[in-house]
Amino acid sequence: NAGVMQNPRHLVRRRGQEARLRCSPMKGHSHVYWYRQLPEEGLKFMVYLQKENIIDESGMPKERFSAEFPKEGPSILRIQQVVRGDSAAYFCASSSGTPDSTDTQYFGPGTRLTVL
Amino acid sequence: QKEVEQNSGPLSVPEGAIASLNCTYSDRGSQSFFWYRQYSGKSPELIMFIYSNGDKEDGRFTAQLNKASQYVSLLIRDSQPSDSATYLCAVNTGRRALTFGSGTRLQVQP
Repeated sequence: NAGVMQNPRHLVRRRGQEARLRCSPMKGHSHVYWYRQLPEEGLKFMVYLQKENIIDESGMPKERFSAEFPKEGPSILRIQQVVRGDSAAYFCASSSGTPDSTDTQYFGPGTRLTVL
Repeated sequence: QKEVEQNSGPLSVPEGAIASLNCTYSDRGSQSFFWYRQYSGKSPELIMFIYSNGDKEDGRFTAQLNKASQYVSLLIRDSQPSDSATYLCAVNTGRRALTFGSGTRLQVQP
């Protein structure tokens, strides 16, 4: 399967615990984006990364959220000390990074986070 | 004013009819426009993208873009019950991150 991979698909955490969401981009893609979809709401951009670099984190909450895309391995979205309001679907997308606006993002299956 | 606006619907059309989905955007510098389909509980699936004014056709789907009016639409011909989903309009304003509308829910009645 050469598509975007995310795991786990479902994650349950208690308030105060940490959540780690992983994303492997589509083969040949080097650009990764994270989006959050709250229940009954639209997709909201969180962060855009390339290997070892955060390019745009303008959509990330200032506290408790961090993201990385190491040289080796998947991109990770980390949420510390989760609260009930963090319950949402977190989608990762990847693109090949064409240098103009034609760059197209393809989405992974998402991780559904439930905070008890 | 929201950056990308869509009528939430539901838009109900009979099987075989044309479904017309509309989207307006506020940033005149927006450069590229995408339509994604999202089934309930699933991830967004890319249907079409359009960059230039005019129409772009792909099978039963036609995307239309009018930059002067800041308007983009998606037409689905010969609608099928399997087309029933939420359709998301997304806009690239030039910084790569996509700005999404809240989506229009389409119901195709058999």
